[in-house]
Amino acid sequence: GQQLNQSPQSMFIQEGEDVSMNCTSSSIFNTWLWYKQDPGEGPVLLIALYKAGELTSNGRLTAQFGITRKDSFLNISASIPSDVGIYFCAGQLNNAGNMLTFGGGTRLMVKP
Amino acid sequence: DTAVSQTPKYLVTQMGNDKSIKCEQNLGHDTMYWYKQDSKKFLKIMFSYNNKELIINETVPNRFSPKSPDKAHLNLHINSLELGDSAVYFCASSPTGAYIQYFGAGTRLSVL
Repeated sequence: GQQLNQSPQSMFIQEGEDVSMNCTSSSIFNTWLWYKQDPGEGPVLLIALYKAGELTSNGRLTAQFGITRKDSFLNISASIPSDVGIYFCAGQLNNAGNMLTFGGGTRLMVKP
Repeated sequence: DTAVSQTPKYLVTQMGNDKSIKCEQNLGHDTMYWYKQDSKKFLKIMFSYNNKELIINETVPNRFSPKSPDKAHLNLHINSLELGDSAVYFCASSPTGAYIQYFGAGTRLSVL
């Protein structure tokens, strides 16, 4: 099936540092979504991107829909301990209806 | 009120048993989904369902079957449980024509 390559797989950073993660694919996506999963919980939507080149912010989070429609990145500025969790990208393919394809996740750990 | 709720949160059972996981959403959404998250945290779509169409991921064994008594509920029934079925199962929902999905907190299934 279609795959999204998400990197890095994990990050261990100091509180206050900025974080960047990305997803790439060989397929073209119509929509990119970024989710965060806290331990013991389900994924929660952070940012949704609908157009190629779109740059959207949500507080300290910024995400962009790549111009080629095959990639997206998520940046977190000035990280804090509660940013800890697993971040997933998800994309919607043109012929996939409402089905989403998820990346493998980036596990973020923040040292106070 | 929880938007997407799943029961039970934890399920421990023996190999060969049949079990069901329930999901309810109070968001008025038309489409519901089941995902499987393995030990490496990879999220994989199993089913997409609305009142008109069931879309099945072709890799899902036919021991797994979704059952929807009404638009707000999509239960997952699993026959003849196997050790490899141990995972966290997430229910999600989305409005018609929208790609943003809202997730439940997950059901942690352990097959012994």
